[in-house]
Amino acid sequence: GENVEQHPSTLSVQEGDSAVIKCTYSDSASNYFPWYKQELGKGPQLIIDIRSNVGEKKDQRIAVTLNKTAKHFSLHITETQPEDSAVYFCAASRGGTSYGKLTFGQGTILTVHP
Amino acid sequence: EAGVTQSPTHLIKTRGQQATLRCSPISGHTSVYWYQQALGLGLQFLLWYDEGEERNRGNFPPRFSGRQFPNYSSELNVNALELEDSALYLCASSRGLAGVSYNEQFFGPGTRLTVL
Repeated sequence: GENVEQHPSTLSVQEGDSAVIKCTYSDSASNYFPWYKQELGKGPQLIIDIRSNVGEKKDQRIAVTLNKTAKHFSLHITETQPEDSAVYFCAASRGGTSYGKLTFGQGTILTVHP
Repeated sequence: EAGVTQSPTHLIKTRGQQATLRCSPISGHTSVYWYQQALGLGLQFLLWYDEGEERNRGNFPPRFSGRQFPNYSSELNVNALELEDSALYLCASSRGLAGVSYNEQFFGPGTRLTVL
């Protein structure tokens, strides 16, 4: 089955710096890659996603890149703010009979220091 | 528009008991997913329901079961509770299978299950 590896497990940055979180996946048939932000005591919130037919997607301070050949995708947060502090999860999914199941990485604890 | 809702917020049970967790999806969504988030671990896929049918199941024992009602709400049942079942159980919803290639899943706040 699909396996998603996420790095780093913790990331500490100063306010205004950039943060990068990387994930690799094993199933070459995966075609959908969402990123979630989970704050303490809350459920994961979808912040951005990318489909396999796109190499990069940007939404304000957040961007995601996908390298299908290397089976690698990354989340980039620019101009970080203290409110960006949370746990971030990457995930991967494929269509067909496995449609629906998201396989998650282990999460990255991001801390943005004022 | 209301998001995914789950009840109860917290649930405390003893080993061997049964637990029932409930989820209401976003209006218009027909698919409901259940995930387990144990402490220190990522989210593990449990079950997926669409249009009242179980579509996929993760690597969990049969004592984890559920159902989806005609109004698309869902219930997760865990029988013969074990200590390691203690976790945050998250429900997500998305638009259903018909005509959809990618499933954006939106999560509820979760139910914290503690087994003593």
